Order: sequence, then C-alpha cells, then structure tokens
Amino acid sequence: DADVTQTPRNRITKTGKRIMLECSQTKGHDRMYWYRQDPGLGLRLIYYSFDVKDINKGEISDGYSVSRQAQAKFSLSLESAIPNQTALYFCATSLAGGRGTDTQYFGPGTRLTVL
Amino acid sequence: AQSVTQLGSHVSVSEGALVLLRCNYSSSVPPYLFWYVQYPNQGLQLLLKYTSAATLVKGINGFEAEFKKSETSFHLTKPSAHMSDAAEYFCAVSEGRSGNTGKLIFGQGTTLQVKP
Repeated sequence: DADVTQTPRNRITKTGKRIMLECSQTKGHDRMYWYRQDPGLGLRLIYYSFDVKDINKGEISDGYSVSRQAQAKFSLSLESAIPNQTALYFCATSLAGGRGTDTQYFGPGTRLTVL
Repeated sequence: AQSVTQLGSHVSVSEGALVLLRCNYSSSVPPYLFWYVQYPNQGLQLLLKYTSAATLVKGINGFEAEFKKSETSFHLTKPSAHMSDAAEYFCAVSEGRSGNTGKLIFGQGTTLQVKP
C-alpha cells in the first residue's frame, strides 16, 4: 500500500551497529505499529503508538526502541543489532476507532540482516 | 490471553480446486477476527474481517470465512483456486470490546501453493 512507506527496504548490517528503520504514512491515521515477521512464527508486535505522546511496548520490545516524531512518522531503532534480530519488519497503521474492528494497513516491509 | 492457531503451515491445491485454510482462536472476550494475505515481496493486505455483524463474511478475490463460536474457528475458503491465489495467509484476532488497543494477535501463517 503506497500510503504506508518504509525505508530502507533492505538492509545488511553487522552485530553491534545501531540501525533505524523508518515508517511514514499519508493515511492520516493516529495509530501506528511495528511488527517483525519470522518464518513459522507469524507477525509479532514490537511497539505500538496511539498518538505522538502515547507509545507502548508490545510482546517483544527488548532490544528495540521507537520514536514517534509526528502523526505520520514512526521509527524503530535497534540500539545494538544482534543476529537474532534478522527478520522482516513491518509498519502498520489504523484509525483510532476505540474498538478492535479497525483494519490495519501495512507497509511493504524492511528486510534486515544482521551478520 | 488471546491466541490464534493456523492448522497447516503449507497447503497445496490444484488450480480450480477448493481452498480451505484453517484457523482456530482462543479468547476470553468476544473476538474480532481477520484474514490477511501476503503476496511475495509485499506487505499484508486485508482479505476480510468478522466484526459480529454476520457469521459468514465475504471478502475480496472470492474468499469467504465463517465464524463458528461453538468450534472457536474462522476457516477461510474459496470454491475455486487461481494461480494468483498463491501467497501466505494470516489469521488474526483482536479483543472485541470498546477502548481496546486494536492490537492484533497473528497466527503462524499458511503458505498456499496452487498447482497448474
């Protein structure tokens, strides 16, 4: 979905490096999410944000941090990358409907490899 | 705690055959359920969702799913597979109550292969 963009699309880095993955959206949604996808494990939530001042940990936040610079931008950082953080990372957005029916819209993903 | 189990990590069907992808959920509150599809090198896109309005839900590309509370299931079906249906499919659940976070819990995914 072109309304949610992620940069970079692919990144290879070395153990111990700091990495930032960026997500931008033009959908005007308040809620943004970061997931990682691993084969056989589906998608797991890393962090989510209701708005610029409301950021929450997901189920696998250790080793990650986030920044919500604006309504449209939500960045994920790996402070010191390690090989088991090699995965496909997705950003998603949704409306703040207050119920669980809201569709999430996903970016194209960032494939991160940590050597 | 909510959870989703997709039975079968790989499903292979012939073109024109019935597609059946299985999803069972666990939830202590009324759930909202979703099926997403991921085509190669793309993000996920919504196929359909159950929001308690009707138990049989129709989605895009000829897919549909039926919510069965007694079986805690939300299986995805399509009467006739097309080659273009080859993709990975994810079932997901969110808490069905007001004020929730909208967090989705995903299943492990099922890769659908369609043979000519």
